[in-house]
Amino acid sequence: KAGVTQTPRYLIKTRGQQVTLSCSPISGHRSVSWYQQTPGQGLQFLFEYFSETQRNKGNFPGRFSGRQFSNSRSEMNVSTLELGDSALYLCASSPGRTLSGNTIYFGEGSWLTVV
Amino acid sequence: AQKITQTQPGMFVQEKEAVTLDCTYDTSDPSYGLFWYKQPSSGEMIFLIYQGSYDQQNATEGRYSLNFQKARKSANLVISASQLGDSAMYFCAMREGGSSNTGKLIFGQGTTLQVKP
Repeated sequence: KAGVTQTPRYLIKTRGQQVTLSCSPISGHRSVSWYQQTPGQGLQFLFEYFSETQRNKGNFPGRFSGRQFSNSRSEMNVSTLELGDSALYLCASSPGRTLSGNTIYFGEGSWLTVV
Repeated sequence: AQKITQTQPGMFVQEKEAVTLDCTYDTSDPSYGLFWYKQPSSGEMIFLIYQGSYDQQNATEGRYSLNFQKARKSANLVISASQLGDSAMYFCAMREGGSSNTGKLIFGQGTTLQVKP
């Protein structure tokens, strides 16, 4: 059974640019959540998508956005990059429905450096 | 407000010994789930163990067990027979309940575990 796949693994962007990260969840999982991890703030929830709809949203500015496709794959986009956006971005996959399993699995993450 | 607290920034353990990583939580929701994850330096977040708030027994997964004390709101991870490969950052996380089974987690600050040979 394939795990959670995130691409790209590493990327370097310049301030002001925008970036798109991709996440393919475990087959059959319909919920995809995104997290930002930095040394200063730790792990923070960005947003969750379930069945192509945003179900939960964290406390991040509008520069951070996401979407989910009909095959449950998700993308997140950060526009007008700032140095503080440098972080590990983690994607999490889960069934998303009660009685369908409780476990939440993560991908390997995408390391973003903004210069 | 929901909160996870891990009070041990760093821990050392001798190889083959057991170690307990502490986690306390705060929530007003009677239905919640508690997770432990391992994060090596590569960055991947590896699922270790899950405990539901209504589970009657403490969860176990191989060398990992969760010491769940609901009244004290603690969910400590016990790793038995530590191995060098256990050296990593460990995170405790909580999901509040409800019918949606959301993927939203609140994480603690993490504990760095180093296993000494």
